[in-house]
Amino acid sequence: QKEVEQDPGPLSVPEGAIVSLNCTYSNSAFQYFMWYRQYSRKGPELLMYTYSSGNKEDGRFTAQVDKSSKYISLFIRDSQPSDSATYLCAMSARVYDMRFGAGTRLTVKP
Amino acid sequence: DARVTQTPRHKVTEMGQEVTMRCQPILGHNTVFWYRQTMMQGLELLAYFRNRAPLDDSGMPKDRFSAEMPDATLATLKIQPSEPRDSAVYFCASGLGQGAYNEQFFGPGTRLTVL
Repeated sequence: QKEVEQDPGPLSVPEGAIVSLNCTYSNSAFQYFMWYRQYSRKGPELLMYTYSSGNKEDGRFTAQVDKSSKYISLFIRDSQPSDSATYLCAMSARVYDMRFGAGTRLTVKP
Repeated sequence: DARVTQTPRHKVTEMGQEVTMRCQPILGHNTVFWYRQTMMQGLELLAYFRNRAPLDDSGMPKDRFSAEMPDATLATLKIQPSEPRDSAVYFCASGLGQGAYNEQFFGPGTRLTVL
């Protein structure tokens, strides 16, 4: 079993939909939780960062961490075609040693 | 516009050949990371440098891979000899190494194909 599990999708939604992306993990030592967005043929870029449990909101994006369930989520409101990308969850126990999920490929159709 | 740069962007080589990938971290960043991304394994950390010193290379196959930072503006990842299973996209990332979280900025990657 991988330390970080993420459904690779693909996920296709109409423009304006609410998107929910999720990851589960097994290592209870993880305390840093990140979501990266990766466009095709590009490097990942950081979207959201959360330390320990709780919620964090940034514009149309909301990240949630439930350490008791070892479950993290990313919500995208009012999704746009420009949100079409692969979304990678990542987490670490130390500040540098990130473990990535497989990535979920999202397509937002106009 | 500060960015991590990587060269070459694409590399096709034959099995057994040496491959060298280069990375220029963002000026002022003191942490550098090498990752490998494949469809099967996803994104995996290969090596981590802080102030040019290798702190963790446990993710790297030691017999054929080596990573160095000759100076603060250049990081290299070498594979010798290369094998078809090394085909992947190799990313370099850099960070400031400050605070509780060290945000990593990724380069565009080197797409390696070993025939």
